[in-house]
Amino acid sequence: AQTVTQSQPEMSVQEAETVTLSCTYDTSENNYYLFWYKQPPSRQMILVIRQEAYKQQNATENRFSVNFQKAAKSFSLKISDSQLGDTAMYFCAFMTGAGSYQLTFGKGTKLSVIP
Amino acid sequence: NAGVTQTPKFQVLKTGQSMTLQCAQDMNHEYMSWYRQDPGMGLRLIHYSVGAGITDQGEVPNGYNVSRSTTEDFPLRLLSAAPSQTSVYFCASSGQGGKKKLFFGSGTQLSVL
Repeated sequence: AQTVTQSQPEMSVQEAETVTLSCTYDTSENNYYLFWYKQPPSRQMILVIRQEAYKQQNATENRFSVNFQKAAKSFSLKISDSQLGDTAMYFCAFMTGAGSYQLTFGKGTKLSVIP
Repeated sequence: NAGVTQTPKFQVLKTGQSMTLQCAQDMNHEYMSWYRQDPGMGLRLIHYSVGAGITDQGEVPNGYNVSRSTTEDFPLRLLSAAPSQTSVYFCASSGQGGKKKLFFGSGTQLSVL
């Protein structure tokens, strides 16, 4: 079974600064996908960024980028130029590549952006 | 395009009552699933379905039933609600293909007294 660990229950960052959220995972699979989801107070689950394990290049989406270290089983999220709208819970999630659509989530990191 | 629609958004039940949480998607997705979210626990998979007529258990299936008679609908049934089932419930769907992207509904806040 896969496990996902987010070791930072809460974090804060000043507006316009950069913050990095940590995520580690454990799996014996070689083909898998990793995700970061954002959950604002509205409760909606929003996909932020997605990484395919067989791709060495780190994924980027505008101000969001990841540092994917496959050997270390680490998948951190970097948010640049933080904005007040980035205040939310952030969940790291894992999905195997073998025809599965089941997500295993970490417990989340509550990020507060301070004006 | 409605995406994934969950009803109701909020529900209060008494212990022992039964109810059905509804989930419908209009994207012709084959895969649908139910998660529950508890404080400090992240989301955990309850049941999932890979197509009409096919369902399977996830990590926390006890106390819940599902069925999938159509591609569009995937209801979650609580047969005898317990306070431990107080949670936020999310339905999600995904189509076949390499993107592996799940589309989530807006959630149902359920309180069992």
